[in-house]
Amino acid sequence: AQSVTQPDIHITVSEGASLELRCNYSYGATPYLFWYVQSPGQGLQLLLKYFSGDTLVQGIKGFEAEFKRSQSSFNLRKPSVHWSDAAEYFCAVGSPNTGTASKLTFGTGTRLQVTL
Amino acid sequence: EAGVTQSPTHLIKTRGQQVTLRCSPISGHTSVYWYQQALGLGLQFLLWYDEGEERNRGNFPPRFSGRQFPNYSSELNVNALELEDSALYLCATGGRNNQPQHFGDGTRLSIL
Repeated sequence: AQSVTQPDIHITVSEGASLELRCNYSYGATPYLFWYVQSPGQGLQLLLKYFSGDTLVQGIKGFEAEFKRSQSSFNLRKPSVHWSDAAEYFCAVGSPNTGTASKLTFGTGTRLQVTL
Repeated sequence: EAGVTQSPTHLIKTRGQQVTLRCSPISGHTSVYWYQQALGLGLQFLLWYDEGEERNRGNFPPRFSGRQFPNYSSELNVNALELEDSALYLCATGGRNNQPQHFGDGTRLSIL
């Protein structure tokens, strides 16, 4: 069964500092990988996705993520954090056997706090 | 383009009651997914509908059910509500050709 681990429950960074959120997955092959962001009281917004090809993917809001097969990781990065980035971030995996038309398995999320 | 819309935004029910949540997909999306986000339990997959059929079901009791209509909108029904059903219920929709899932803002259900 597929699983996702986000080892950091809560991270605090200063505005303007760089950010890296960790995500490790367990899957028999290379899954489809996603990062979503959730602001308080709202649904999830897709930041970026990886299906295949270039292992460094660019997303919205200046975020990027790198897929490392050898480490089963898909870490999210941003070079300079803005106060508006404070939210909860979820890493998710899906099965390439059925494409994106399959359930997603989510990590437990990382809550990002940004100090001014 | 309109996003995924869910209604109602909030609901308060008591134990034993029944509830129906609704979801309208993004135009062109044929799949609807329901997830439960309960405090301390994270995001759990509930149900997946595609072309009017239930395709997959998460580890939830049968009192959680739903359906998908010909216009691809969907309902989630929960019978015999229990306190632990208090959660944010999120609907996501997706299409073919590897379109990723897009989420609505959810329905927050509180059980008293």
